Amino acid sequence: GENVEQHPSTLSVQEGDSAVIKCTYSDSASNYFPWYKQELGKRPQLIIDIRSNVGEKKDQRIAVTLNKTAKHFSLHITETQPEDSAVYFCAASKGSGGYQKVTFGIGTKLQVIP
Amino acid sequence: DTAVSQTPKYLVTQMGNDKSIKCEQNLGHDTMYWYKQDSKKFLKIMFSYNNKELIINETVPNRFSPKSPDKAHLNLHINSLELGDSAVYFCASSQGGWAGANVLTFGAGSRLTVL
Repeated sequence: GENVEQHPSTLSVQEGDSAVIKCTYSDSASNYFPWYKQELGKRPQLIIDIRSNVGEKKDQRIAVTLNKTAKHFSLHITETQPEDSAVYFCAASKGSGGYQKVTFGIGTKLQVIP
Repeated sequence: DTAVSQTPKYLVTQMGNDKSIKCEQNLGHDTMYWYKQDSKKFLKIMFSYNNKELIINETVPNRFSPKSPDKAHLNLHINSLELGDSAVYFCASSQGGWAGANVLTFGAGSRLTVL
């Protein structure tokens, strides 16, 4: 089955600096890569996603890159703010028909220091 | 209007008891899931149902039994609770159908504590 590795497990940055979280996946058939943000005590929520036919996607201060050959993808957050502090999960997904199995990484706890 | 709602939010019980968690989604999604999040925050899929049919059944003890009476509901029943079952259980749903449509909408979570 799919295996998603994520690092670092914890990350502390000064407010205004950039943060980068990296993930690798094992199954070359995976074709969809979402990122979820989970604030303390709350539910995970999608922040950005990328499909396998796209190399990069940006949404304001966050961007995701995908290297299909190397089977890795990364989340970049620029100009970090205290409200970016949360646990971030990468995931890989593949499938057909009416469903896809989503495999999550272990999560990265990001702390933005004011 | 809550999209994915699960009850109860908190559940404290003794070892050996049986308990249920209920989940309902009003998004019209075809697929529903149960995820377990342990103390280290790892999100692990347990089950997935598509239109009331079980499609994913990970390596989960058979003390855990999901039930989907219709595509808007997915309940989780746990028999003979053990200490290791303590976790936050998240229900989720997705539309499915094609790559990229599998955006998961999570419920608020049910924190189960087994004493």
